[in-house]
Amino acid sequence: EVQLVESGGGLVQPGRSLKLSCAASGFTFSDYYMAWVRQAPTKGLEWVASISYDGGSTYYRDSVKGRFTISRDNAKSSLYLQMDSLRSEDTATYYCTTDNYGWFAYWGQGTLVTVSS
Amino acid sequence: DVQMTQSPSYLAASPGESVSISCKASKSISNNLAWYQEKPGKANKLLIHSGSTLQSGTPSRFSGSGSGTDFTLTIRSLESEDFAVYYCQQYNEYPPTFGSGTKLEIK
Repeated sequence: EVQLVESGGGLVQPGRSLKLSCAASGFTFSDYYMAWVRQAPTKGLEWVASISYDGGSTYYRDSVKGRFTISRDNAKSSLYLQMDSLRSEDTATYYCTTDNYGWFAYWGQGTLVTVSS
Repeated sequence: DVQMTQSPSYLAASPGESVSISCKASKSISNNLAWYQEKPGKANKLLIHSGSTLQSGTPSRFSGSGSGTDFTLTIRSLESEDFAVYYCQQYNEYPPTFGSGTKLEIK
């Protein structure tokens, strides 16, 4: 059974950093692109970033470029999102997902990030 | 960015009925469209990709149609487990973008 378990969320002040992690199991992690998708409170879904099989290629939405870094460790079947210079508009539940040619087949249950002073 | 417009935003129906949800793209996305189901306390579920291809495990009462800019998710003979929020998503170009969601509630 595919499992994606996010961790690392919490309350953080504006301008500070936070690193999210996602532990994957039940599938061959290195065979999949991976992604982070977020959902602000009472809002819809928003793609944040994707990463290729070996981490050699990364893609970001404009609003997080230069502030967020997606990475992976295939030996540990883990995905990460380093979030720097956080803003109030980054407040959201962050989901780890598989990125299958652009659609997101498997999702974690999410980790909540709240950016507030 | 490609804007995805879903309608209606809210839909009330009874078990056994059939419903349709519309998703319109601001430009042609070929058939590069997926549909998802969101339920409280559960991981989001991919229902359909490539416009009409059912993901493994998706019940056959779900169907997707359309190409270009206009797409439809149809659920025949609603069951109690189908009452949820549904999202469409285009992946024809970066950034992938989602519709604003349709909440399907029991009448």
